[in-house]
Amino acid sequence: DAGITQSPRYKITETGRQVTLMCHQTWSHSYMFWYRQDLGHGLRLIYYSAAADITDKGEVPDGYVVSRSKTENFPLTLESATRSQTSVYFCASGLGESGYTFGSGTRLTVV
Amino acid sequence: SQQGEEDPQALSIQEGENATMNCSYKTSINNLQWYRQNSGRGLVHLILIRSNEREKHSGRLRVTLDTSKKSSSLLITASRAADTASYFCATDGSGNTGKLIFGQGTTLQVKP
Repeated sequence: DAGITQSPRYKITETGRQVTLMCHQTWSHSYMFWYRQDLGHGLRLIYYSAAADITDKGEVPDGYVVSRSKTENFPLTLESATRSQTSVYFCASGLGESGYTFGSGTRLTVV
Repeated sequence: SQQGEEDPQALSIQEGENATMNCSYKTSINNLQWYRQNSGRGLVHLILIRSNEREKHSGRLRVTLDTSKKSSSLLITASRAADTASYFCATDGSGNTGKLIFGQGTTLQVKP
């Protein structure tokens, strides 16, 4: 199915564990993004990518790692999860000049 | 930070009334975009206005951009209960980086 898919939808993990959030898009969009959304902060950009093998930091990159070996995938890894990383994470993709399409989000709870 | 403020933070109106939301930003931009988010869902792209455009329409939506004041407004005319959502502006900074930075949003409630 065409679209942008995030997995898992919900995740509970323990402090200190590594966790990877997946994002897959079927349009071959060049740009992909990861945002986190918290009450009182709106959406904050974590990392973005302009093309495969090109990634760059956003507003709040600390504690996160991304990779983009294939155009369609943009996984986000929390190397050692902390409670402050409890949030809703959104992935988005697009071509740059026509708006972006967002996934349905991953609700991550770190206990 | 590239992004400024959106106001109001919350807006409550009756069905049929117009809703206006404002967005300010701090740096030069390539374009400015508006998104809608229904509760618990992902964001949906509404409209994009380029830095060399002053006004754009899409159905009941009207967006204006004033680059001299670094501000934009989103007008929803003849609002409906289904327009109840949060609305966000986002700026794509100059330099064609594609980097999209969001404001904190306006929560709109349209009462039937």
